[in-house]
Amino acid sequence: EPEVTQTPSHQVTQMGQEVILRCVPISNHLYFYWYRQILGQKVEFLVSFYNNEISEKSEIFDDQFSVERPDGSNFTLKIRSTKLEDSAMYFCASRGTPLGNTIYFGEGSWLTVV
Amino acid sequence: GENVEQHPSTLSVQEGDSAVIKCTYSDSASNYFPWYKQELGKRPQLIIDIRSNVGEKKDQRIAVTLNKTAKHFSLHITETQPEDSAVYFCAASIMEYGNKLVFGAGTILRVKS
Repeated sequence: EPEVTQTPSHQVTQMGQEVILRCVPISNHLYFYWYRQILGQKVEFLVSFYNNEISEKSEIFDDQFSVERPDGSNFTLKIRSTKLEDSAMYFCASRGTPLGNTIYFGEGSWLTVV
Repeated sequence: GENVEQHPSTLSVQEGDSAVIKCTYSDSASNYFPWYKQELGKRPQLIIDIRSNVGEKKDQRIAVTLNKTAKHFSLHITETQPEDSAVYFCAASIMEYGNKLVFGAGTILRVKS
């Protein structure tokens, strides 16, 4: 079964540092997402991306966050200046078409800001 | 925007019993309702989903029901097994245009053997 892959699986970073989380969505998918999950809480939507631009973003996704699809396969989430409260599991997800397709989640990148 | 409420937050059942988890949603435009199972430290895994044009869907021991009028949907697990122990999340979405999933708060299901 095709999979969404994410790297790194775990990253520890100093507060104020920049972090880039990487994702390779399923190859023929068109819609890409980042979600985050703070430990013990629900999965929260951050941003959706379609046709090389952001289609929707949540209140969490402020100016410190950015996404990019630099080539045909990678989809990245950048946090410019990390804060303690950015510590969470970040999930990348992708969907093939608007209708009739499942959203597939990657294994997640666990970010710890110290 | 969409808001999804999920109950109960924890559910403990004896092996072999049934488990029911309920969710309500606020946006009548939502038309896709998946359920995800998440084991500790793992990704959410889709276990079943339902679209708004059907009222019920079954897959072996798992079923989902949808009441569009009342805006609620439920997950039913029959003959529970210890491996069903996990966190279960409901979600709602508008399928068109690749809209985001809005998740419920999750239910910790413990199946006691």
